[in-house]
Amino acid sequence: TQLLEQSPQFLSIQEGENLTVYCNSSSVFSSLQWYRQEPGEGPVLLVTVVTGGEVKKLKRLTFQFGDARKDSSLHITAAQPGDTGLYLCAGVPIDNNAGNMLTFGGGTRLMVKP
Amino acid sequence: EPEVTQTPSHQVTQMGQEVILRCVPISNHLYFYWYRQILGQKVEFLVSFYNNEISEKSEIFDDQFSVERPDGSNFTLKIRSTKLEDSAMYFCASSEGDPGTGAYEQYFGPGTRLTVT
Repeated sequence: TQLLEQSPQFLSIQEGENLTVYCNSSSVFSSLQWYRQEPGEGPVLLVTVVTGGEVKKLKRLTFQFGDARKDSSLHITAAQPGDTGLYLCAGVPIDNNAGNMLTFGGGTRLMVKP
Repeated sequence: EPEVTQTPSHQVTQMGQEVILRCVPISNHLYFYWYRQILGQKVEFLVSFYNNEISEKSEIFDDQFSVERPDGSNFTLKIRSTKLEDSAMYFCASSEGDPGTGAYEQYFGPGTRLTVT
């Protein structure tokens, strides 16, 4: 079983602060995706990283895939209250060639206070 | 922007009844998935479907469950003889598939909340 562990589970910060969320595994993933989920809704795709060491930026969000493709991070600069939500990482294990099932982390619940 | 849609948004059923959850994937996508999320827990993979057949299924997806693509647009999940522990949010997802890079970006629907009483 390929596990993705996210940390921290909960994060409460003030508007304007920076933060980093981590997604770690002992397994290798062929790709890793970050989602944001609002209560009662489906996960919304933010970014996909594929190449080890890859860095992608989405406005104030910076995503990095570890060199060994076992871990990833999400860094938010100057957080805003609109960033509040549940952030999920999910990956396709490298040995999964058939169905491309996503393995999800437990999520990081972020609250940004004005 | 194309999106995955799911109906109904909320389904209440009695234990032992059968339910069918419906999904309309993004039109040019080739891979279809069902996931579930029990309240407060991780999103869990149930099944993937490609080329009109199941390509992978999890341990959760036992004989109680079945999937079907009855026409060119719908993708359904049938749960027979529902149990209390089947209560969860059920998400449909679809992906276009990108064999070259291995990036199979999956786009999720809004979910169906299933409540078994």
